[in-house]
Amino acid sequence: GENVEQHPSTLSVQEGDSAVIKCTYSDSASNYFPWYKQELGKRPQLIIDIRSNVGEKKDQRIAVTLNKTAKHFSLHITETQPEDSAVYFCAASPDDQAGTALIFGKGTTLSVSS
Amino acid sequence: GAVVSQHPSWVICKSGTSVKIECRSLDFQATTMFWYRQFPKQSLMLMATSNEGSKATYEQGVEKDKFLINHASLTLSTLTVTSAHPEDSSFYICSARKTGKASYEQYFGPGTRLTVT
Repeated sequence: GENVEQHPSTLSVQEGDSAVIKCTYSDSASNYFPWYKQELGKRPQLIIDIRSNVGEKKDQRIAVTLNKTAKHFSLHITETQPEDSAVYFCAASPDDQAGTALIFGKGTTLSVSS
Repeated sequence: GAVVSQHPSWVICKSGTSVKIECRSLDFQATTMFWYRQFPKQSLMLMATSNEGSKATYEQGVEKDKFLINHASLTLSTLTVTSAHPEDSSFYICSARKTGKASYEQYFGPGTRLTVT
């Protein structure tokens, strides 16, 4: 089955700096890669996702890049703000069928200090 | 968007008792729902895939006789933790994808905090 590795486990940056979180996956059939932000005690919130027919996607301060050959994808947050502090999870899924679950990485705790 | 609800949001039970958690898709139909468990400071671990009208598929290491899943309709799946023990204390989250068309996004419920004393 799919296995998703995520690094780093913790990341501390100064406000205004950029943050990069990286993930690798094992199943070459995976073609959907979302990123979630989770605050303590709450549900994961989708912040950006990418499909395998796209190499990069950007939404304001957040971007995701995908390298299918190397089987890795990354989350980039620019101009970080204290409210970006949270746990971030990457995930992968082998197809777009409703019956297929997401497999999550172990998470990255991002701390943005002002 | 799409909304998934869970009930209860938190529950405290005594060791040896059973607890039922409901997961509902409020504005879409879901033939498949997923149950995850999240321990403190850890990731979401897939427990099982719940299929409407058929048996659930459990991940390796998850006891199907302990975690009973019933998916009786296109909008409701339930997870029953039987004979709960303190080590079952965790955050349980359900999710679903829309049925009927290619839909990548997965919608999560708000989670249920289970504490077994």
